Amino acid sequence: GQQVMQIPQYQHVQEGEDFTTYCNSSTTLSNIQWYKQRPGGHPVFLIQLVKSGEVKKQKRLTFQFGEAKKNSSLHITATQTTDVGTYFCAGFLHGSSNTGKLIFGQGTTLQVKP
Amino acid sequence: NAGVMQNPRHLVRRRGQEARLRCSPMKGHSHVYWYRQLPEEGLKFMVYLQKENIIDESGMPKERFSAEFPKEGPSILRIQQVVRGDSAAYFCASSPVRSGANVLTFGAGSRLTVL
Repeated sequence: GQQVMQIPQYQHVQEGEDFTTYCNSSTTLSNIQWYKQRPGGHPVFLIQLVKSGEVKKQKRLTFQFGEAKKNSSLHITATQTTDVGTYFCAGFLHGSSNTGKLIFGQGTTLQVKP
Repeated sequence: NAGVMQNPRHLVRRRGQEARLRCSPMKGHSHVYWYRQLPEEGLKFMVYLQKENIIDESGMPKERFSAEFPKEGPSILRIQQVVRGDSAAYFCASSPVRSGANVLTFGAGSRLTVL
């Protein structure tokens, strides 16, 4: 079936270190979205990437969408304790405009040691 | 402008009882999605609805689970004869139009515990 996979599942870093999570789809995605969920909270939208090879930045966060539109990454530079949470990628399958099913990866949980 | 409202936030049920979870989408949003999140796991799509229509229920278990989004009132996710494995956080999200490129706004979730 259609799957969106994320690695790693968990990442512990020292405050100030960089962090990257990777997202891979078994099929081409029409676009990819990233969400952040704080412990005990709900997913909150971060960004959407649509174009092949697209790169977007939000302060210390850099998001990339692969050329084949099957993979994406989120990189955080110089992590802070406020970055703690689980980061999910989510994608709509290419050509699935007849349904709104957004498929989520399993998430990468980031812990930051002060 | 209120966000997506879910209630109850916490619900405790004994095995065999029914659970009803409600979701009011953001103002101006006509599409509702339900996701289930087990502890330490990701978000699993359950169902996608618009007013009076189920668009995609491919993630709904075949038995005991049902969802509706009536013309008036909130969307309801109903779980009959709950079992311990139903314990999870149930998140509702809404979007303004049929999503193919739109962002989902999530509610705070309803956390179901089955004793």
